[in-house]
Amino acid sequence: EAGVAQSPRYKIIEKRQSVAFWCNPISGHATLYWYQQILGQGPKLLIQFQNNGVVDDSQLPKDRFSAERLKGVDSTLKIQPAKLEDSAVYLCASSPILDSIYNEQFFGPGTRLTVL
Amino acid sequence: KNEVEQSPQNLTAQEGEFITINCSYSVGISALHWLQQHPGGGIVSLFMLSSGKKKHGRLIATINIQEKHSSLHITASHPRDSAVYICAVRAGAQKLVFGQGTRLTINP
Repeated sequence: EAGVAQSPRYKIIEKRQSVAFWCNPISGHATLYWYQQILGQGPKLLIQFQNNGVVDDSQLPKDRFSAERLKGVDSTLKIQPAKLEDSAVYLCASSPILDSIYNEQFFGPGTRLTVL
Repeated sequence: KNEVEQSPQNLTAQEGEFITINCSYSVGISALHWLQQHPGGGIVSLFMLSSGKKKHGRLIATINIQEKHSSLHITASHPRDSAVYICAVRAGAQKLVFGQGTRLTINP
């Protein structure tokens, strides 16, 4: 079974530029998560989708971050414009079940963003 | 204070040593996860616990619900165990809350 795919793996941009990340979850997984992991910290949830609907985006900085999952499969996360503090690894994860304490998440390799 | 605290933040040991990483949390939880993150960012789920103890190979995870504490043990540690180990908790069906991670380095 193929895992969660993310691209690009690395991205370097200057502040105030725009950037987009792509995630392809495991086939059949209804729930998709985007996390931000700043160096030395644990991941922080940015947004959670159930199929193509948003379940939780309470920690997404909506003035600059946006995400979509139009067909309930692939997802993109965009930052526009980027700030220095956005430098982090952006992780995508998917899981087959939403409301279950047995919900295991499968993580992609992440995209390492450096904002100069 | 963070909801999930891990200790130590960094741990260096020699190959073969017994390793313990601790996780304390401040909220009532329905499940606790231990995750492994290798250089390059990819995260792998090691265990999910709601009570007691689980074992997989050289890895053992325990949880004490009353004390709000979990430990991850590695027996006969090996350099390939070098990674960041992350504890994450779930309250009900809510989102996972992650600890800051413990960076483990096993020297040959």
